[in-house]
Amino acid sequence: DTGVSQNPRHKITKRGQNVTFRCDPISEHNRLYWYRQTLGQGPEFLTYFQNEAQLEKSRLLSDRFSAERPKGSFSTLEIQRTEQGDSAMYLCASSFLSGIQFFGPGTRLTVL
Amino acid sequence: GESVGLHLPTLSVQEGDNSIINCAYSNSASDYFIWYKQESGKGPQFIIDIRSNMDKRQGQRVTVLLNKTVKHLSLQIAATQPGDSAVYFCAETANFGNEKLTFGTGTRLTIIP
Repeated sequence: DTGVSQNPRHKITKRGQNVTFRCDPISEHNRLYWYRQTLGQGPEFLTYFQNEAQLEKSRLLSDRFSAERPKGSFSTLEIQRTEQGDSAMYLCASSFLSGIQFFGPGTRLTVL
Repeated sequence: GESVGLHLPTLSVQEGDNSIINCAYSNSASDYFIWYKQESGKGPQFIIDIRSNMDKRQGQRVTVLLNKTVKHLSLQIAATQPGDSAVYFCAETANFGNEKLTFGTGTRLTIIP
């Protein structure tokens, strides 16, 4: 399968713990995006990278959230000191420059 | 702020009939629009896109119509099949650089066998 992959697919954690998600984009895509989706809503933009540079961050991305794409390939999204309000589906997408964004299957986070 | 919204949250259609899903947007600077399909437990799947210099674009069994005058977008699905059952989102960006998509809430389409 050459699509966008995300790991883990599901994560259950206790409030206050740190979690890290990984996204592997389509191999030739130089842009990588993170979105968050809560139940019954559309995805909301969090941040995006072009190669290894993080070019835009939403105000939704509080200081507890950090994203990296160190070598311009895979990306990680870390949430520190998780809160119940962080429970959501975290989606990753990739594109080649300004092309169509293709989404991965998402990581569903549940904070107890 | 600017937002993308949908007229109907749910839609049920008999198998084989055509379906139309509507979407309103409020950002007059929006210049690129995309429809995504999302099945339960999966990420959004690209269906079709349209740029603001067009008013109609057709794909396989799908047609997107854009009315910039009233800021309205629609997705027509012909000869619906059970596999078309999903939530459909419209998304827009005001920059065809496509850095940040703004999604609507979604419409749940159910195909009745």
